[in-house]
Amino acid sequence: AQKITQTQPGMFVQEKEAVTLDCTYDTSDPSYGLFWYKQPSSGEMIFLIYQGSYDQQNATEGRYSLNFQKARKSANLVISASQLGDSAMYFCAMIARNNNDMRFGAGTRLTVKP
Amino acid sequence: DAGVTQSPTHLIKTRGQQVTLRCSPKSGHDTVSWYQQALGQGPQFIFQYYEEEERQRGNFPDRFSGHQFPNYSSELNVNALLLGDSALYLCASSPLSGRAVGEQFFGPGTRLTVL
Repeated sequence: AQKITQTQPGMFVQEKEAVTLDCTYDTSDPSYGLFWYKQPSSGEMIFLIYQGSYDQQNATEGRYSLNFQKARKSANLVISASQLGDSAMYFCAMIARNNNDMRFGAGTRLTVKP
Repeated sequence: DAGVTQSPTHLIKTRGQQVTLRCSPKSGHDTVSWYQQALGQGPQFIFQYYEEEERQRGNFPDRFSGHQFPNYSSELNVNALLLGDSALYLCASSPLSGRAVGEQFFGPGTRLTVL
């Protein structure tokens, strides 16, 4: 069975500082993808970054980077130089190649302070 | 290039009624998935449609049914609504062969309130 765990219900960060949002996962499938989505109060899920299980390097997309530690089954999101507009819910998700349903964690609410 | 669109944006129904939600996938995408997101929780997978057939289903009762049309758009139907069906319903589309395993693009959602 696949499972995603986000243990931080809420996080605060000062504007312009970096913040790490934690995510651990569990799957028996050797081929899988890990995703991070941002969900502002409007409700739309905005894709941020993707990491494949066979990717050798950690994924980066602008100010977002994914700290992928396969042996520890963790896929933490790092946001550098936080901006006020980064305040939102952040969800970690996983989908395995042999399964078509994307599993989401419970989410972390990030608040950026001016 | 239009992204994933959903209609309606908001909907209010009473217990026992039936509802239909609609989704148009992103251009070039042929697979549509539906998710239910209760307040304060992560999205839960309802089912996925590909080639007009239900490809996989999550842990939802038969009151939840769907359909995919030849143009890849999709509908989610919920019968005999319960108060617990109140949630944000998200539609996501993906190409059969994409850069990422199951990379999905989400629509803005339909917020359903059951009174």
